[in-house]
Amino acid sequence: KAGVTQTPRYLIKTRGQQVTLSCSPISGHRSVSWYQQTPGQGLQFLFEYFSETQRNKGNFPGRFSGRQFSNSRSEMNVSTLELGDSALYLCASSLTALRAANYGYTFGSGTRLTVV
Amino acid sequence: GESVGLHLPTLSVQEGDNSIINCAYSNSASDYFIWYKQESGKGPQFIIDIRSNMDKRQGQRVTVLLNKTVKHLSLQIAATQPGDSAVYFCAEYPRKDQAGTALIFGKGTTLSVSS
Repeated sequence: KAGVTQTPRYLIKTRGQQVTLSCSPISGHRSVSWYQQTPGQGLQFLFEYFSETQRNKGNFPGRFSGRQFSNSRSEMNVSTLELGDSALYLCASSLTALRAANYGYTFGSGTRLTVV
Repeated sequence: GESVGLHLPTLSVQEGDNSIINCAYSNSASDYFIWYKQESGKGPQFIIDIRSNMDKRQGQRVTVLLNKTVKHLSLQIAATQPGDSAVYFCAEYPRKDQAGTALIFGKGTTLSVSS
């Protein structure tokens, strides 16, 4: 059974550019969440999607956005990149909405974004 | 075995020792807790979970203890092996009627196991 797949694995962008990251959840999983991981702030929640609807959003500026498609694949977009956006972006999927998931999430290996 | 009373960012143990990693969670209303292991270059991997109606849960070589009175969670790893070297995170789920349903992660502890 394939795990959560995130593409690309590594990305280097210039300040001011925008970037789109992709996440394919485990087959059958309908909930996808995104987290930002940095050495200073740790793992911070970005947003959660379930059945193409954003159910929850973390405390990030509007430059961070996401969406989910009918096949449950999800993308997140960061516009007007800043140096501080350099981080590991993790996607996680679960069968249903978070509260019903007995094992929390299954995480992907992440996309390492470096902004220069 | 090695243990820490408060959260420390790093823990170094010898192979075969028992390890105890501590975590203080933030929300007294959280009712579900998870420990994750993150190896270099990978995303966090589920280790064990516990619900708030339990004090202890055991898995294979791992035990999680929950003390709701002091909002403290610990992960015990028996007979620690070099392959256990990783960063360990605790995470909590707020109760359904609390604002937000996202996992809240604690600060990680880097476990280093030497042979």
